[in-house]
Amino acid sequence: SAVISQKPSRDICQRGTSLTIQCQVDSQVTMMFWYRQQPGQSLTLIATANQGSEATYESGFVIDKFPISRPNLTFSTLTVSNMSPEDSSIYLCSVEGELSYNEQFFGPGTRLTVL
Amino acid sequence: AQKVTQAQTEISVVEKEDVTLDCVYETRDTTYYLFWYKQPPSGELVFLIRRNSFDEQNEISGRYSWNFQKSTSSFNFTITASQVVDSAVYFCALSEALKGGGADGLTFGKGTHLIIQP
Repeated sequence: SAVISQKPSRDICQRGTSLTIQCQVDSQVTMMFWYRQQPGQSLTLIATANQGSEATYESGFVIDKFPISRPNLTFSTLTVSNMSPEDSSIYLCSVEGELSYNEQFFGPGTRLTVL
Repeated sequence: AQKVTQAQTEISVVEKEDVTLDCVYETRDTTYYLFWYKQPPSGELVFLIRRNSFDEQNEISGRYSWNFQKSTSSFNFTITASQVVDSAVYFCALSEALKGGGADGLTFGKGTHLIIQP
C-alpha cells in the first residue's frame, strides 16, 4: 500500500485564521480525496482532487472555505480558511491503492483545534 | 444517493467471544465497492477489506470474516475469538464506480464502537 504522510499532525489555531494541510504520497496516484472527521463522528468526504483539474466538492463544502491544490501526482494541500471552532476536526487525505484503484488508504490525519 | 447504516453504535463483549458488526447499504449503482476500516484509539484508519459488487464470495482472513449478501444489501463483519486489541471503532463504507474508471470517494457509516473486555 502507498505510504501517506500529512503535515502538520496537529495544530491549534485562532478563529479567523487559515491553515494549510499537506498530504504527500510515496508513489504517483491519480485520485486523492480529502475527508473531515468531526469529534466523535464518522468521516465525511470534502472533495476529490485529481491532478491537473479543479477539485470536485461534495454538497456542503465550498472552494472558498476549503481550497485544494493538486500540483502533481504525489502531493495535495487542503486549506481550511477563516476558521471557526466548528472546524475543529481531524482532516484526512486518502489515495487509491497502487494495485487496485478501488482500494483506498488513509493518511494519519491532521488534528485541528480552533479556539 | 448512497447510504451506509451501522445500526450498532456500541458493542461490548468479553474477550474470546465472537462478535458480528452489521452493515447495511443503499445504492442505485450496479457496480460499487464496500469497505471495512478499523480506527483504534490512536486515531489512524486501517484498511481491512474491499469487496466489489460482483464478488459475493465470503472472505476469511485469520480471525476476521466478512459476509456479503446482495439480496439484503448487507456486508457484515465477524471477529472470531475476540481480543482486547480488537477494541476500536469500525467503519463500513461504500463507493460507486466512476464511468471513466476508478472509484468515487467513500460514504461512511457512523461506525460501531467495539469494546473487548478482558
